[in-house]
Amino acid sequence: AQSVTQPDIHITVSEGASLELRCNYSYGATPYLFWYVQSPGQGLQLLLKYFSGDTLVQGIKGFEAEFKRSQSSFNLRKPSVHWSDAAEYFCAVAPFFNKFYFGSGTKLNVKP
Amino acid sequence: DVKVTQSSRYLVKRTGEKVFLECVQDMDHENMFWYRQDPGLGLRLIYFSYDVKMKEKGDIPEGYSVSREKKERFSLILESASTNQTSMYLCASSTNDGNQPQHFGDGTRLSIL
Repeated sequence: AQSVTQPDIHITVSEGASLELRCNYSYGATPYLFWYVQSPGQGLQLLLKYFSGDTLVQGIKGFEAEFKRSQSSFNLRKPSVHWSDAAEYFCAVAPFFNKFYFGSGTKLNVKP
Repeated sequence: DVKVTQSSRYLVKRTGEKVFLECVQDMDHENMFWYRQDPGLGLRLIYFSYDVKMKEKGDIPEGYSVSREKKERFSLILESASTNQTSMYLCASSTNDGNQPQHFGDGTRLSIL
């Protein structure tokens, strides 16, 4: 069965520090991969997506993610975190165009 | 930009009531989805629809039904609300293009008393 694992439930980083959020998936072929962000009380906003080609993808708000086929991972990174990045982040995989599987989310806190 | 609108941001209902959650999208998307979101569990798919009057069960359909009479509107129905259905409900839509994401509404926080 397909699954998505975000091993870190909570992460706290200092403003200006770098960030890496982990995501691993279980699926036979390479699915479509996404990262979403959810601010408190809001819906999910797409940060970036990967379908094929260059394994390093750029997204909005200065985020990037790297797909590593050998590790079945799609980790999200940002070189310098801003206080406004505090939110919950969800990784999602889509083995089919209309079937998404979401991880359980990682809550990011940013220390001043 | 795609706009997915959920009719209520907050809703309080009583146990046993029939509850309707409405979702409208303005981009002529074929697919629409209902998820519930609970802390530590991420998003779990309740139902989805890939065409008018078509529906498919997701991972947790028990206690819910859906209706899609028009392409732009997808309703989630709690036939007899129970306290364990207190949750955040998110609606999403997408096209049939394989490389397109789902677009989400702002969610409805539903409390069943």
